[in-house]
Amino acid sequence: AQSVTQPDIHITVSEGASLELRCNYSYGATPYLFWYVQSPGQGLQLLLKYFSGDTLVQGIKGFEAEFKRSQSSFNLRKPSVHWSDAAEYFCAVGFGNEKLTFGTGTRLTIIP
Amino acid sequence: GAVVSQHPSWVICKSGTSVKIECRSLDFQATTMFWYRQFPKQSLMLMATSNEGSKATYEQGVEKDKFLINHASLTLSTLTVTSAHPEDSSFYICSAPPGGENTEAFFGQGTRLTVV
Repeated sequence: AQSVTQPDIHITVSEGASLELRCNYSYGATPYLFWYVQSPGQGLQLLLKYFSGDTLVQGIKGFEAEFKRSQSSFNLRKPSVHWSDAAEYFCAVGFGNEKLTFGTGTRLTIIP
Repeated sequence: GAVVSQHPSWVICKSGTSVKIECRSLDFQATTMFWYRQFPKQSLMLMATSNEGSKATYEQGVEKDKFLINHASLTLSTLTVTSAHPEDSSFYICSAPPGGENTEAFFGQGTRLTVV
């Protein structure tokens, strides 16, 4: 069965520092890969997605992610975080019209 | 782009009552709708999949008699939480699958249910 692992439950970074959120997946084939952000009490916003092709994908709000097939990973990065980036981040995998499988999420706290 | 409209955004109900949550696809037809549940500080877990014109399929451990799903048309799927209890308090969110290759799913805004 497919699964998604986000090893970091909670990460704290200083404003202006770089960020990397980890995501590893287990799937029968290379799935579609997504990162979503969720602010408290809000729905999901898609940050970026990978379907195929270039393994470095750019998203909104200055985020990027790199797909590494050999490591079954899809880590999210941002060179310089802003206080407004504080939120919960979910990695998700799926394929075609199938349901998405979500990771457990990483809560990001930004300190001034 | 495609939009899934989910209502209500939040609802408070008394124990023992029923609550209906609607998800509408506004500018496309959705033959399938996924219903997820998110408990506080947890991830989203698929509850069930609704299919237009046929019975919904439920994930293991989800009570089909408690969470009634109806997909009456190609633009409307509903989730009714029957005889709600405080432990049903959660964030419920619907999602229509991608309409084609290399596209993403479309999520509703979510419904925060609080049972008192």
